[in-house]
Amino acid sequence: RKEVEQDPGPFNVPEGATVAFNCTYSNSASQSFFWYRQDCRKEPKLLMSVYSSGNEDGRFTAQLNRASQYISLLIRDSKLSDSATYLCVVNPPRGTSYGKLTFGQGTILTVHP
Amino acid sequence: EADIYQTPRYLVIGTGKKITLECSQTMGHDKMYWYQQDPGMELHLIHYSYGVNSTEKGDLSSESTVSRIRTEHFPLTLESARPSHTSQYLCASSGGQGIYEQYFGPGTRLTVT
Repeated sequence: RKEVEQDPGPFNVPEGATVAFNCTYSNSASQSFFWYRQDCRKEPKLLMSVYSSGNEDGRFTAQLNRASQYISLLIRDSKLSDSATYLCVVNPPRGTSYGKLTFGQGTILTVHP
Repeated sequence: EADIYQTPRYLVIGTGKKITLECSQTMGHDKMYWYQQDPGMELHLIHYSYGVNSTEKGDLSSESTVSRIRTEHFPLTLESARPSHTSQYLCASSGGQGIYEQYFGPGTRLTVT
């Protein structure tokens, strides 16, 4: 089983739609979680850090379910500019891998007019 | 917004040449990373450093080497470039006790002919 798994999509949604991505992680002791956004042929950019049960930033809401070991990202009122690949990222538990973030393969989102 | 720089942005070079990809950050971050990413594929960690004079190999085996003589500088060297080294190389940094969000540079797109 991969350490971090995401549905690769692609998700094709119209402007204004609400879309949600899920991500599962294998190590129950993982400490911290992030969502990154990566545009085509660009570097990943931090979108949100996911704290405790979840947090919200404008149209974006991230949730963490430790019991089920999944993280979700909800995007409301989608804009054309939201089209990108969304990367689920997990920081392993303390030990030799601590600080070496594990990146999921990414979920592709395309928002169309 | 993070201040992390990579040069060159694009490099086309012949087989057998020695190359050094530069990465610098001005945030005083103690942790720095090198990733390799092919188009449409996942990020793979190839090297990381948790401080000056500390370097470790990442999860993906790489023929490249790195050094960390100064906090702000983390260059990657390929002694003899081959076509299989053609890829995008992304540098990242993170800093502060217990802070593991990584900030990426714009990347170097390397093509070995």
